[in-house]
Amino acid sequence: GQNIDQPTEMTATEGAIVQINCTYQTSGFNGLFWYQQHAGEAPTFLSYNVLDGLEEKGRFSSFLSRSKGYSYLLLKELQMKDSASYLCAVRVAGGYNKLIFGAGTRLAVHP
Amino acid sequence: KAGVTQTPRYLIKTRGQQVTLSCSPISGHRSVSWYQQTPGQGLQFLFEYFSETQRNKGNFPGRFSGRQFSNSRSEMNVSTLELGDSALYLCASSLNGQPSSGNTIYFGEGSWLTVV
Repeated sequence: GQNIDQPTEMTATEGAIVQINCTYQTSGFNGLFWYQQHAGEAPTFLSYNVLDGLEEKGRFSSFLSRSKGYSYLLLKELQMKDSASYLCAVRVAGGYNKLIFGAGTRLAVHP
Repeated sequence: KAGVTQTPRYLIKTRGQQVTLSCSPISGHRSVSWYQQTPGQGLQFLFEYFSETQRNKGNFPGRFSGRQFSNSRSEMNVSTLELGDSALYLCASSLNGQPSSGNTIYFGEGSWLTVV
């Protein structure tokens, strides 16, 4: 079966660093996406990891370990506008653009 | 360049009716996929099209269908609407769906469907 786990909710303080973890068990793997979704809006692309290692993009970094079925999204210098849901999604093998999504992590950033 | 464009953005339909949603992918993108998002089930894959052919299909009843045109634009149709079909329907596009690092998947703003 397909299973993607991420924490349901997290809270953090403005200016701090937060790490959102994602573990997956899927029938094959062809990459992992992180999306940000504000309430009532569409998912916005944050990162895409195909190979193991860390990808850094400004305040956001994403890490992937394929052997462990594990990824994390690291958000630095948190801002109030980072309060949103963060979705982990796996592109399954042979699935082209078929993504399996986790339930999402709701992040609340407090002053 | 323009992003993924979906129309209409909001619509209300009555049970038993049918609805057609439209999606224009990012220029140059040939792969279009559709997802349904509900509070209870999260984001679920409906189907994907590439070069006017359906490449993948999710676990949805046959009332859900789609197609892609030669210009890569896509439509999805839901017939005999049920209350449970109320959801945000999202379209996503990418170059060709291959797993290379440059083949990112981008989502449109979505179509909010309410069935009453």
